[in-house]
Amino acid sequence: SQQGEEDPQALSIQEGENATMNCSYKTSINNLQWYRQNSGRGLVHLILIRSNEREKHSGRLRVTLDTSKKSSSLLITASRAADTASYFCATDAKGSSNTGKLIFGQGTTLQVKP
Amino acid sequence: GAGVSQSPSNKVTEKGKDVELRCDPISGHTALYWYRQSLGQGLEFLIYFQGNSAPDKSGLPSDRFSAERTGGSVSTLTIQRTQQEDSAVYLCASRYRLGGFDTQYFGPGTRLTVL
Repeated sequence: SQQGEEDPQALSIQEGENATMNCSYKTSINNLQWYRQNSGRGLVHLILIRSNEREKHSGRLRVTLDTSKKSSSLLITASRAADTASYFCATDAKGSSNTGKLIFGQGTTLQVKP
Repeated sequence: GAGVSQSPSNKVTEKGKDVELRCDPISGHTALYWYRQSLGQGLEFLIYFQGNSAPDKSGLPSDRFSAERTGGSVSTLTIQRTQQEDSAVYLCASRYRLGGFDTQYFGPGTRLTVL
C-alpha cells in the first residue's frame, strides 16, 4: 500500500502564480524526494531532501520537510505552462530492509494555464 | 550520458499470454528497481536488485511475476499468464549505489495492456 498521501489531488493555476503541493507519510525516513511525471510515463527527479534538513531550494523549487509532522511541501514559484505535469513525493523509508526502495504518494496533477 | 531505457514502450497482449519487459539501466549503476503504476494502485514497488541478486521481491503481486538480472546490467521482468489487472505502466529505475543520498533514475516505462 502507498505510504504517502498528497494534497491537493489536482491543482489549476495561471501562469506566473505559485503552486504548493503537500505530502504526508507514515514512517521514519532517510530522505524524501519529489518527482515530476509528464503524460503518465517516466519520472523525472526534481529534488531530494534529507531527513535532517528542513528546507531546500533548487531554481524555482522550494521543498520543506517537517519530520515531526511527517510532512513535506513542494513550492513551484512563478509557474510556467511547461510545469503542467503530475508531481509525486517519494520516501526512502528507514528500516525498509535497507533496499532504498521508494514509497510513492498518490500524486498531485498540476495544470498551469497560459 | 545515456539514461535508463526500457523496451518495448508499449505492449498489447491477450489474456493468458506471457510477456517480457526489458530494462537497460545506466552503466555502472549497481541497484535496479521495478515499479508498477496503475490507475487503482498508484506507483508500487515490485522488486529490487543489487547486482544480479534480488534481496527484496516483496512487491511482486503473485507468483506469475518474476524478474532476473544478468551481468549486473540488463533486467527482464516476466509476467506469465497475464490477466487484465496486470495492465499498467511498468517503470524501471537504477541507482549508482545503495547508501548515500543519490537518487533513482527512471526509464520511460512500458505500457502493458492486457485484453
